[in-house]
Amino acid sequence: EVQLVQSGAEVKKPGESLKISCKGSGYSFSSYWIGWVRQMSGKGLEWMGIIYPGDSESTYSPSVQGQVTISVDKSINTAYLQWSSLKASDTAMYYCAGQSGRLGAFEYWGQGTLVTVSS
Amino acid sequence: DIQMTQSPSTLSASVGDRVTITCRASQIISSSLAWYQQKPGKAPKLLIYKASSLESGVPSRFSGSGSGTEFTLTISSLQPEDFATYYCQQYNSYLRTFGQGTKVEIK
Repeated sequence: EVQLVQSGAEVKKPGESLKISCKGSGYSFSSYWIGWVRQMSGKGLEWMGIIYPGDSESTYSPSVQGQVTISVDKSINTAYLQWSSLKASDTAMYYCAGQSGRLGAFEYWGQGTLVTVSS
Repeated sequence: DIQMTQSPSTLSASVGDRVTITCRASQIISSSLAWYQQKPGKAPKLLIYKASSLESGVPSRFSGSGSGTEFTLTISSLQPEDFATYYCQQYNSYLRTFGQGTKVEIK
C-alpha cells in the first residue's frame, strides 16, 4: 500500500526556520514525483511546487519561488519543504502528494502538516 | 500561469439530486484535468484524472467530461457522504493550478 506520512504539527515564531517532511512507503520512492500543496485556513488548495526524487529536478510556483525549498533524501524515502525565515502568512496546512508521471494527477496524499507562525 | 475557474462556488442540493460542477481553463489544457474531493479536516482525494477517467475505488456515480478549456464533474445521484468541497486541477503545464473549489452543501 502506497503511503505518504508527514511530520507533525509545528508552532514557530516569525523569522525562524523550519523543515517539514513527507516519508513515502509501499512503492519505489524514485518513481513518483512529490508535490507540496498549501491550504490556508478556510481557503482553497494552492500548488506550491514539485520534485522528482530520481534526479531532484524541481519546479516552483512563482508565488513561492525563493520563499521555500523543496528537497529529497532518497536514502530514507523522504521529501522536504523548508523555510529559512517564516512569516505569519506561512501559517497553513501543508500537504505532500505523489504523482506517477512528470505531468499527472496527485494520486496519493499525505495527512497534512499544520504550520502555525505566531509571535 | 493557467487560471482555473470553477462554478458555482457553493451549491445546495438534496440527497438523490444530480449535481454538475464546471471548471474552465484560461487556455487549452487538452484533457490534463483532475477532480478532487475534500472533506473537512481531511486531505484531498483523487476522483477523476485525464478529465474523464475514474480513479480506482471511486463510485461510478462520479463522472467527468470535457476537453480543451471546459470541463464538468457530475454526481449522478448525490449521497450523504458526497457533501464536501470539490476542486479541479490542471496538469498540462509544469506550473499546475487548482480551481478555487466548489462546496456542495445540504439543502
